[in-house]
Amino acid sequence: NAGVTQTPKFRVLKTGQSMTLLCAQDMNHEYMYWYRQDPGMGLRLIHYSVGEGTTAKGEVPDGYNVSRLKKQNFLLGLESAAPSQTSVYFCASSQTRSNEQFFGPGTRLTVL
Amino acid sequence: AQTVTQSQPEMSVQEAETVTLSCTYDTSESDYYLFWYKQPPSRQMILVIRQEAYKQQNATENRFSVNFQKAAKSFSLKISDSQLGDAAMYFCASGYSTLTFGKGTMLLVSP
Repeated sequence: NAGVTQTPKFRVLKTGQSMTLLCAQDMNHEYMYWYRQDPGMGLRLIHYSVGEGTTAKGEVPDGYNVSRLKKQNFLLGLESAAPSQTSVYFCASSQTRSNEQFFGPGTRLTVL
Repeated sequence: AQTVTQSQPEMSVQEAETVTLSCTYDTSESDYYLFWYKQPPSRQMILVIRQEAYKQQNATENRFSVNFQKAAKSFSLKISDSQLGDAAMYFCASGYSTLTFGKGTMLLVSP
């Protein structure tokens, strides 16, 4: 099992460009999450999904959109990137809301 | 909104010694769970220990144990017989539907 994978691992964007981060899990988990990690801030929840076709806002959703068309995939989109979105992005999944969240390796995004 | 506070930005311990990392939280939920995650320099988030708030018994995983004080909303992590491989950033998290993370404590381990 690959667990949770994230594509790409690194990316540099210019202000105003768009991109999509892909998260995939092969554990048949219902719940999936997108976090951002900034120095000194811990992890903050951007959006999450409680099942295929569902999405919900987290703590810091502005500037991001998500989609969960397939149970195993959770996409995070940036329509018009801003320097404030420079961060490390983590995807996670869990079987239930109370179970351990399994994390991907992270994507380091730099917006110039 | 939930808050999780880790008041120690950095802690140091010598190999084979014991260290305790502090965490306090605030939640309005009646049912919730508590976690400690470890993030080594590789950046991978690794679960250390999980505690169900409705259980009074403190969780234990080998050298890692917690001191869960529900009334005080405190959830500290004790690492016994510290090893060089324990050096990492440690995050406390609490929640039910979603998790709120603290800002982390960097643990340094010296020989």
